[in-house]
Amino acid sequence: AQSVTQLDSQVPVFEEAPVELRCNYSSSVSVYLFWYVQYPNQGLQLLLKYLSGSTLVKGINGFEAEFNKSQTSFHLRKPSVHISDTAEYFCAVSGRGGGGSNYKLTFGKGTLLTVNP
Amino acid sequence: DGGITQSPKYLFRKEGQNVTLSCEQNLNHDAMYWYRQDPGQGLRLIYYSQIVNDFQKGDIAEGYSVSREKKESFPLTVTSAQKNPTAFYLCATGGWSHPTGELFFGEGSRLTVL
Repeated sequence: AQSVTQLDSQVPVFEEAPVELRCNYSSSVSVYLFWYVQYPNQGLQLLLKYLSGSTLVKGINGFEAEFNKSQTSFHLRKPSVHISDTAEYFCAVSGRGGGGSNYKLTFGKGTLLTVNP
Repeated sequence: DGGITQSPKYLFRKEGQNVTLSCEQNLNHDAMYWYRQDPGQGLRLIYYSQIVNDFQKGDIAEGYSVSREKKESFPLTVTSAQKNPTAFYLCATGGWSHPTGELFFGEGSRLTVL
């Protein structure tokens, strides 16, 4: 089984400032990791994913995340945020193992990023 | 356009009534999922189906029912047994071509029980 902890429920920042949204996970098997974004009253959209290879992954809208196996973390970063980045961000994990574990994505509780002018 | 269609987007119902939320997809994905979202609680898995005519309970299945008679459709019924049905419901799909677990989401249905 997997679990995900998003360490901050809310992160307020000013426009053009850098931001980091923190995510830690636990799992008894190797994992795939994801960040999704949700704008108000909408579904979730994939920002980026880590499957294997380079631990630094780049996503849409200028976001990137770094997989740190020793710290079991997958923090999301953006060097300069815009007002339009205001949304809720979810970290998620799925197990690499077979038997259907790949089919169940476990989500964190979300981090609300608010970008102020 | 390929995608996932959830309907209705907003739904109001009286306490004690069953309601059915629709989820249709034309992505040809095998797996379909229903999640419930409440403020500050993230997404919780209600039911999922990996193949037609088969489905499994997720973490919070009590008070809900589903069917999977066609690959394209996975309707969710919120029954009167669900103690606190007011929530935002999200349908998602994945597939054998997405064994990494990546999911694709619909726009959601917001159910309010009066």
